[in-house]
Amino acid sequence: GENVEQHPSTLSVQEGDSAVIKCTYSDSASNYFPWYKQELGKGPQLIIDIRSNVGEKKDQRIAVTLNKTAKHFSLHITETQPEDSAVYFCAASMESGGYQKVTFGTGTKLQVIP
Amino acid sequence: GAGVSQSPSNKVTEKGKDVELRCDPISGHTALYWYRQSLGQGLEFLIYFQGNSAPDKSGLPSDRFSAERTGGSVSTLTIQRTQQEDSAVYLCASSLGFSGSSTDTQYFGPGTRLTVL
Repeated sequence: GENVEQHPSTLSVQEGDSAVIKCTYSDSASNYFPWYKQELGKGPQLIIDIRSNVGEKKDQRIAVTLNKTAKHFSLHITETQPEDSAVYFCAASMESGGYQKVTFGTGTKLQVIP
Repeated sequence: GAGVSQSPSNKVTEKGKDVELRCDPISGHTALYWYRQSLGQGLEFLIYFQGNSAPDKSGLPSDRFSAERTGGSVSTLTIQRTQQEDSAVYLCASSLGFSGSSTDTQYFGPGTRLTVL
């Protein structure tokens, strides 16, 4: 099955700096890569996603990049703000048995220091 | 529109008791998923529903865990004879469920925090 590794497990940055979270996946059949943000006591919320036919996608301060050859994908947050503090999960999704099976990374706890 | 809702938000039970956790998916979403998240850990897949059937139950950790979905909508996850290691946050997600869709995004509910004493 698919295996997703996520690094780092914790990340502290000063407000205004950039944060980068990296993930790798093992199965080249994965074709969709969503990123989720989970605040304390809440469920994960989708913040951005990328399909396998796209190399980069940007939404305001958030961008994702995908390298299919290397099976790497990354989340970039620029001009970080205290409200960006949360746990971030990457995921890799592929069609399996007629549905999109999603495998999640182990999460990155981001702390933005004011 | 309304997102995925789950109830109860918190449940404290004694070891050996049965518990039922409820998930109400986004209206029109045919696919529904249950995950378990232990403290500080990632998301562990439990079961997937398409409509009322469960084509993938591979993540259920033991026969004490079961789930059903009726009317293609609400789902209930039941844990029988709860053990302390069952303590976790149980998350439900739903998606449109289009087979072959390259972006069948899952939307999560707030979760149920289960504590087994």
